[in-house]
Amino acid sequence: QLQLQESGPGLVKPSETLSLTCTVSGGSISGTSHYWGWIRQPPGKGLEWIGSISYSGSTYCNPSLKSRVTISGDTSKNQFSLKLSSVAAADTAVYYCARLRSRDGYTFDFWGQGTLVTVSS
Amino acid sequence: QSALTQPRSVSGSPGQSVTISCTGTSSDVGGYNYVSWYQQYPGKAPKVMIYDVSKRPSGVPDRFSGSKSGNTASLTISGLQAEDEADYFCCSYAGSYTWVFGGGTKLTVL
Repeated sequence: QLQLQESGPGLVKPSETLSLTCTVSGGSISGTSHYWGWIRQPPGKGLEWIGSISYSGSTYCNPSLKSRVTISGDTSKNQFSLKLSSVAAADTAVYYCARLRSRDGYTFDFWGQGTLVTVSS
Repeated sequence: QSALTQPRSVSGSPGQSVTISCTGTSSDVGGYNYVSWYQQYPGKAPKVMIYDVSKRPSGVPDRFSGSKSGNTASLTISGLQAEDEADYFCCSYAGSYTWVFGGGTKLTVL
């Protein structure tokens, strides 16, 4: 069974860079037909797609966050990562990593448990 | 890229049916048949209930169904049960390998 686990600091200071890693077990991030994504949810609010990385390493980002987002993958560790620069209080959210299945349809079918990141001095 | 529009809340009694709408534009919901719906309990990760507008993943009860007309997608839950009380989010492909979610709908089972 595929499992995803987010890890990283739970507290980041304003103007600094948020860094999170998603470790995947039970499947390979370099396997074809899948993408790997980051989604966030501010407290009490809706979900927001941040960006995705393909099995071949191509990255795609939400236009509203594009200038601040970097997504990368490490196939040797079966991990993919998110960096969000120049954070502000509005970036406080639960950050989820998820698999975007792209075979037999498109859906975020496996999710990590989520990790709360608070932006505060 | 704007969030898809969902009603903030809906409610229904056990056994009844409820429908949650998700309105976008011709650049997302109306342009592709890649709308999915997610159920989320408090403090938990979302779970996919419907994908590709109307497909149900294995294990999801057939009480859950999805449809689309123009720029609006809908999730219908028939035979409401207490366990269906949760938040529901829609998601659509928006072109160029990007995705957009809805603001979420809180379903209350009376």
